[in-house]
Amino acid sequence: AQTVTQSQPEMSVQEAETVTLSCTYDTSENNYYLFWYKQPPSRQMILVIRQEAYKQQNATENRFSVNFQKAAKSFSLKISDSQLGDTAMYFCAFMKRAYGGSQGNLIFGKGTKLSVKP
Amino acid sequence: DSGVTQTPKHLITATGQRVTLRCSPRSGDLSVYWYQQSLDQGLQFLIQYYNGEERAKGNILERFSAQQFPDLHSELNLSSLELGDSALYFCASSGRGDPYTGELFFGEGSRLTVL
Repeated sequence: AQTVTQSQPEMSVQEAETVTLSCTYDTSENNYYLFWYKQPPSRQMILVIRQEAYKQQNATENRFSVNFQKAAKSFSLKISDSQLGDTAMYFCAFMKRAYGGSQGNLIFGKGTKLSVKP
Repeated sequence: DSGVTQTPKHLITATGQRVTLRCSPRSGDLSVYWYQQSLDQGLQFLIQYYNGEERAKGNILERFSAQQFPDLHSELNLSSLELGDSALYFCASSGRGDPYTGELFFGEGSRLTVL
């Protein structure tokens, strides 16, 4: 079974600074996806960034980037130029790549509560 | 707006009762997933349907059941409710276009409070 571990229950960062959220996972699969989802106080789950395991290049989306270390099973999220709107719970998630017309399900970590301070 | 609609947004009921949560996926999405988010258990996968058929089952209690209808909307039925069932229940969908992006689109959730 796959597991996802986020070892930082809470973090804080000053506005405009950079912060890194950690995530490790355990799997015997070779083909999978990794995600970071954001859940602001509105509780909507919002996809931040996505990484396919077969791609060595780290994914980037504007101020968000990941450090994907497949051998170490590590998938950290870096937020640059932090903004007040980044305040939210951040969940790391794993999905085994499925075949046959449907995707697999997401396995989530426990989350990291990020507070961006003015 | 993710395109996934969940109703009701909030629901308060008593122990022993039964409730039904409804989910309308994004137009054209074939897969529907149900997740439960609680403080102690975090986000847990309950069940997945694909084009009307059960595709995967997670930590779903026997008191809970789900189905996906021909129009692709889904319902999650929770019966003999207990205090511990109080949680946020998310529906997500995927499958329109390239099914292998891995991305799920989440609704805003249904907050269930059992008193």
